[in-house]
Amino acid sequence: DGGITQSPKYLFRKEGQNVTLSCEQNLNHDAMYWYRQDPGQGLRLIYYSQIVNDFQKGDIAEGYSVSREKKESFPLTVTSAQKNPTAFYLCASSTFGGETQYFGPGTRLLVL
Amino acid sequence: SQQGEEDPQALSIQEGENATMNCSYKTSINNLQWYRQNSGRGLVHLILIRSNEREKHSGRLRVTLDTSKKSSSLLITASRAADTASYFCATEVNRDDKIIFGKGTRLHILP
Repeated sequence: DGGITQSPKYLFRKEGQNVTLSCEQNLNHDAMYWYRQDPGQGLRLIYYSQIVNDFQKGDIAEGYSVSREKKESFPLTVTSAQKNPTAFYLCASSTFGGETQYFGPGTRLLVL
Repeated sequence: SQQGEEDPQALSIQEGENATMNCSYKTSINNLQWYRQNSGRGLVHLILIRSNEREKHSGRLRVTLDTSKKSSSLLITASRAADTASYFCATEVNRDDKIIFGKGTRLHILP
């Protein structure tokens, strides 16, 4: 069953804590993306990676970090520097240079 | 950086009616896509239209693109309860560039 998985579905963060959101794909896609979605808003690009061991900042990268050590995996860390992390986080993937993106089910991050 | 903007922000129609939503954008594009998002879920790709195309169909979906007006429309014919969702347009300015999403239209199909 091919696709993109994100875990956990819900994540709670305490003050000053770093948390990591998982994104895995078995579509053999080269490119992967992380988006943030706030209520009633569109998607804003946090980071993207077009190839293993390389990634670029999106429009709102401050307070976030990523790694791309494997083609299938693109974890996102929300650091304590991100002062307003409560949002819905979506991971997506596409073929290299591909126009269509395939999305995971999302992780909702809440602050305690 | 906001590129596409959907209109209306929200739309409620009776089941069986047609639903039309629009997307306007600011700069020339390589292609425009429409995605659907059910509440609390990820986005699903619906259709892509390239800058040299004027109209595309996919099942009950019809998309038009007017590059002179920098606008696109998505028509859903014979709407169903399952069409209740948010619909986003996304534009690619340059080939192999990142795509930029609008804020979406929330569509509610009334029984």
